[in-house]
Amino acid sequence: GDQVKQSPSALSLQEGTNSALRCNFSIATTTVQWFLQNPRGSLMNLFYLVPGTKENGRLKSTFNSKESYSTLHIRDAQLEDSGTYFCAAEANTDKVVFGTGTRLQVSP
Amino acid sequence: EAAVTQSPRNKVAVTGGKVTLSCNQTNNHNNMYWYRQDTGHGLRLIHYSYGAGSTEKGDIPDGYKASRPSQENFSLILELATPSQTSVYFCASGAQGTPHYEQYFGPGTRLTVL
Repeated sequence: GDQVKQSPSALSLQEGTNSALRCNFSIATTTVQWFLQNPRGSLMNLFYLVPGTKENGRLKSTFNSKESYSTLHIRDAQLEDSGTYFCAAEANTDKVVFGTGTRLQVSP
Repeated sequence: EAAVTQSPRNKVAVTGGKVTLSCNQTNNHNNMYWYRQDTGHGLRLIHYSYGAGSTEKGDIPDGYKASRPSQENFSLILELATPSQTSVYFCASGAQGTPHYEQYFGPGTRLTVL
């Protein structure tokens, strides 16, 4: 089902621009993870969030548990940011539910 | 040093054959997970484990078995592989926390069932 909805499903950015990805949750979510799957297929952890905000370099993520959403902001996009971004919600169990991903293409 | 490794990385199997995907983690995590990734579905949980000797059904367990013989190793077994099981399979480990934990993924195994 659509317990974790990601938007947009695909995004094209020019180098140097900014954008935001979003996940909306229809399940009670305690923590959120953001991953980047690079074009080779490897999954990399970006953020692990309890409610609040974290920042790492050009990336910033916020998890608002009251309004059931999380955002991932990309600042000054670079070519190596290309790939598919997944958010994953941890509900009140030990299971994690993934969104279907946002495919990002950064071009010169 | 990669903390979660998977083998094989690529596998071609025939319909009706038995396939075993292996996962090893050196994170000393209690929890381990098997997911499959298909276009339009994101990652879906097949089986998971809370520790050696434990296996639990995830969201899509049909057609799969799992085995956790030790803290480090977690296998996914397809007794009778079918073409619908063609997919990319990811293993992950996670520290058991209350209620929070984080997952670390292996590099994935691409399985094609002909």
